[in-house]
Amino acid sequence: SQKIEQNSEALNIQEGKTATLTCNYTNYSPAYLQWYRQDPGRGPVFLLLIRENEKEKRKERLKVTFDTTLKQSLFHITASQPADSATYLCALGGYQKVTFGTGTKLQVIP
Amino acid sequence: NAGVTQTPKFRVLKTGQSMTLLCAQDMNHEYMYWYRQDPGMGLRLIHYSVGEGTTAKGEVPDGYNVSRLKKQNFLLGLESAAPSQTSVYFCASSYSPGGSSYEQYFGPGTRLTVT
Repeated sequence: SQKIEQNSEALNIQEGKTATLTCNYTNYSPAYLQWYRQDPGRGPVFLLLIRENEKEKRKERLKVTFDTTLKQSLFHITASQPADSATYLCALGGYQKVTFGTGTKLQVIP
Repeated sequence: NAGVTQTPKFRVLKTGQSMTLLCAQDMNHEYMYWYRQDPGMGLRLIHYSVGEGTTAKGEVPDGYNVSRLKKQNFLLGLESAAPSQTSVYFCASSYSPGGSSYEQYFGPGTRLTVT
């Protein structure tokens, strides 16, 4: 069966460092992969989308890589700030629906 | 634009009662979704719709029904609520006609407790 794995343990990093979150998947050939941010008590907010034929995508301090051979995506936040503290979800899918991972909680310590 | 709105924000039901959750979007999106989110389980798709008048089952459809009579609205019904349906429910929408973008826009959620 299809499986998406994100590190369920919280990730704590010092302010100013680069945070790297991992999304691994099995039994899946997604057309694209997305990353979302979710704050407590709120709905997820879209951050970045990367297609299967793209290796890397950047948006301001965010960078996503997508390795379809390793079946893995890495999500980087450079120069992290306490305001980046949230849960980050990866989502894989076709064009009509996606499947979400359980998310990784990031805590940026001042 | 209001984006995606959900009604109500909170609700407490007794076992066996019924209710309808309403989702509305003003972005002219074709696709709409209902998810539930439980601790440790992530977001799980209940039902979805790829256009007005069409619906399909997701990963956890049992105990729920949906309708998409108008493009901008997607209703989620619980006919006979059970404690296992205690959860936070999110609605989302995506894809504008002629576009190539599939990111999902989420509503603020409905926190449902079934006692």
